[in-house]
Parts: sequence; C-alpha cells; structure tokens
Amino acid sequence: DQQVKQNSPSLSVQEGRISILNCDYTNSMFDYFLWYKKYPAEGPTFLISISSIKDKNEDGRFTVFLNKSAKHLSLHIVPSQPGDSAVYFCAALYNNNDMRFGAGTRLTVKP
Amino acid sequence: EAGVTQFPSHSVIEKGQTVTLRCDPISGHDNLYWYRRVMGKEIKFLLHFVKESKQDESGMPNNRFLAERTGGTYSTLKVQPAELEDSGVYFCASSRLGTGFYEQYFGPGTRLTVT
Repeated sequence: DQQVKQNSPSLSVQEGRISILNCDYTNSMFDYFLWYKKYPAEGPTFLISISSIKDKNEDGRFTVFLNKSAKHLSLHIVPSQPGDSAVYFCAALYNNNDMRFGAGTRLTVKP
Repeated sequence: EAGVTQFPSHSVIEKGQTVTLRCDPISGHDNLYWYRRVMGKEIKFLLHFVKESKQDESGMPNNRFLAERTGGTYSTLKVQPAELEDSGVYFCASSRLGTGFYEQYFGPGTRLTVT
C-alpha cells in the first residue's frame, strides 16, 4: 500500500515564480517528513524536513508546510530557478523507522 | 569526504541470470540502506544494516534477493535468478549511528535492466 502519494507527476513553472509541490499521506503515525531532490543519474539528496510538531519549516528559498489534519504537506520554492529543475520526492517516517517515499514530481523551471 | 558509491552504474542481464550490486557507504557510517525504484514509481525501502547486522529486511521482495555486509563496510545485493520485474534503479544510502533515516546520504544508484 502506498502511504505517501505525490499525485502530480510533473510541474512546470516560469523562472522567478513560485513552485508548489504537494504530498499526501495516509498514516497518521508518521512523525517526520522529508523532501529530497534528485537530478538525473544521481541519488536523491536531502533538501528540507519537518517534524510533525511543527507546521512550517523554512530554509532559504525552500519552505515546507505541514497540515496534519489534512495529512498533507507541500514544498514551496520561491523564487524558482532553472537549477531547481529536478525530481522531488516526499518521504515520511515513524519513530525514525519505516521510511516511505512518494513517486516523485518532476519540476521544470523554464527560463 | 567521499560520498556513497555504487557499482556498477548500469547492468543489463537476461532473465534467469545472477547479478550482484555493490555499495560502498561513507566511511564511518554504520547504517546502510538499500532501496529500489521501479518504473518511475515510489522509492521503496528494501533493508537496513547496522554494521554487519540486518536491522530490518522487511522490504525485501522475496528470497531471490540476498544482501550481505560482511565486516560492516561495503554491502552487496545479489539477485538470483533475476526476473523481468526486478528491473529498476537500486539505491544505497548510509548514515551515522544514531541519525538513522534522518541524515542518510544516497549513492547514485545502479540501473538494472532484466531482458
């Protein structure tokens, strides 16, 4: 069963605009969420994370929002840059265990 | 500090053959994880080593997959015999003891194609 879902396989935005990547989960026991970024022929690299006790975490141009009641999180990238073009994976953990990933969203930032 | 390395980067084998994938974690990382991504779907956890011991192998699909980490350094993942559905990208990741999944670093992956 897929407990973490990224329903948009792709997203295209203009450089300078905001990119919003969405992720939904089904298991209310998840207590930690992470976003990874993946370039072609490379492994995923950690981008930003959020604990379930928070609803927002910000790191430079990247902000993750968590809505526990809706079991939804989103990654905002502002402003988007062409170098942000990559596949973004959402992942969830329970008690630092049982890591579940979404299927990924391919972001394309057009110059 | 060298990152996680995986070998080979790409392997093409025929159904029924055997393939062994290798992962060298970052030096000093006792946690080692194997994952698989099939056909552009989600990345799925396969198993977790702590040093040479299997901490969790609940994600291993079946007994055609055998993972080892003798000596607690590099790890191998053997698929024998390979089936068509085993095609995908196999990722390895490592992290320091105590950080677990929170701070894992991924290798570039091995793309396995079974024909």
